[in-house]
Amino acid sequence: GEDVEQSLFLSVREGDSSVINCTYTDSSSTYLYWYKQEPGAGLQLLTYIFSNMDMKQDQRLTVLLNKKDKHLSLRIADTQTGDSAIYFCAEKGGGSYIPTFGRGTSLIVHP
Amino acid sequence: DAGVIQSPRHEVTEMGQEVTLRCKPISGHDYLFWYRQTMMRGLELLIYFNNNVPIDDSGMPEDRFSAKMPNASFSTLKIQPSEPRDSAVYFCASSSLAMSSYNEQFFGPGTRLTVL
Repeated sequence: GEDVEQSLFLSVREGDSSVINCTYTDSSSTYLYWYKQEPGAGLQLLTYIFSNMDMKQDQRLTVLLNKKDKHLSLRIADTQTGDSAIYFCAEKGGGSYIPTFGRGTSLIVHP
Repeated sequence: DAGVIQSPRHEVTEMGQEVTLRCKPISGHDYLFWYRQTMMRGLELLIYFNNNVPIDDSGMPEDRFSAKMPNASFSTLKIQPSEPRDSAVYFCASSSLAMSSYNEQFFGPGTRLTVL
């Protein structure tokens, strides 16, 4: 079945850039997503990218997609303490309505 | 819209007791999902409904778990009898293909279940 892999932890200093990486196996993926989970809350969609794109930028967020290598990344510029959260990568295959989520990367931002 | 509503937010119970978790999806959404989140296993999809009909319950861990959706605005996840290994955060999410072409899922705040 489909699989989404991401590292479990990332620690950065406030003001630096954060890069969270994700790999997936489904070659028929149509949409890829980044969800954010703040402490004590549910997941919330942060951004998404359609599979025919290779980059999407939204203010401090940059999503890069390498479809050949099945690699997705999320770059957060000028990381702030408020960005501390768990970030989930997810993908949706062409033949499914249901996205597959990774295990989440805990981003820790320290002063 | 108030978003996806879950109750209770926290539940502490003793092993062997019945637990019922409740969810109210966003009005107009036709898909409803139940997830479980633990440190060991991450986020697991338990079951999902489309137009109140269960479509895939292959993620339900065992017969002790059951889920219902009697109408478009309410769903329950029941565990009977509960066991300590059921301790987790349970999320309900809803979505609508008609309202979101990219299939965004909207998550509730979760129910933190502790089984002693």
